[in-house]
Amino acid sequence: EIVMTQSPATLSVSPGERATLSCRASQSIRSNLAWYQQKPGQAPRLLIYGASTRATGIPARFSGSGSGTEFTLTISSLQSEDFAVYYCQQYHNWPHLLTFGGGTKVEIK
Amino acid sequence: QVQLVQSGAEVKKPGSSVKVSCKASGGTFSSYAISWVRQAPGQGLEWMGGIIPIFGTTNYAQRFQGRVTITADESTSTASMELSSLRSEDTAVYYCARDLITAISPDYFYYYGMDVWGQGTTVIVSS
Repeated sequence: EIVMTQSPATLSVSPGERATLSCRASQSIRSNLAWYQQKPGQAPRLLIYGASTRATGIPARFSGSGSGTEFTLTISSLQSEDFAVYYCQQYHNWPHLLTFGGGTKVEIK
Repeated sequence: QVQLVQSGAEVKKPGSSVKVSCKASGGTFSSYAISWVRQAPGQGLEWMGGIIPIFGTTNYAQRFQGRVTITADESTSTASMELSSLRSEDTAVYYCARDLITAISPDYFYYYGMDVWGQGTTVIVSS
């Protein structure tokens, strides 16, 4: 099973600053990675797929990079609505297996 | 605009089963896949399994094998997830989500993530 590890667990950032979130896969997943945002009491929202392609309607301040085992989600200038939990997800073996990382909580500094 | 609407909250006894439904409106139900993801209180997301209605194929996470059954009824555009032998650790919010895909064949797909989610169904397992 492919294990996804996200770091840090919590990231404290001031509004307007850049946030950089990391996700590591236990083996190569090429670019088969998605990022999701989840706010309290809401379902997750797809941000990025293919490691770097923004989903429909996602602002340009969200960007993804990486391939193989190391991935990054960058939020260039944090807005108030961006404080949330972010999950990475690998789909290298879809439809047989999908796995999520443990999440990174982005909180107001 | 595809929307997924799930059935309501459930309270179940340990050892019993629960069935959660997910009705799709808009789009062509058979052209995409459906995954089920759960989230225990204060925890992260966990994929349970999924179904590809156009091919009638199901896949389950190993830890749920034998306890979970996912089905789809194309006539009503409804997917369902049944979890049996419930225990307290199964207390969670259960989500269905559309897997956006391009199916080339039963064994070859392009996958674009879970782009539409249901509102979630709370399942509480308690004696």
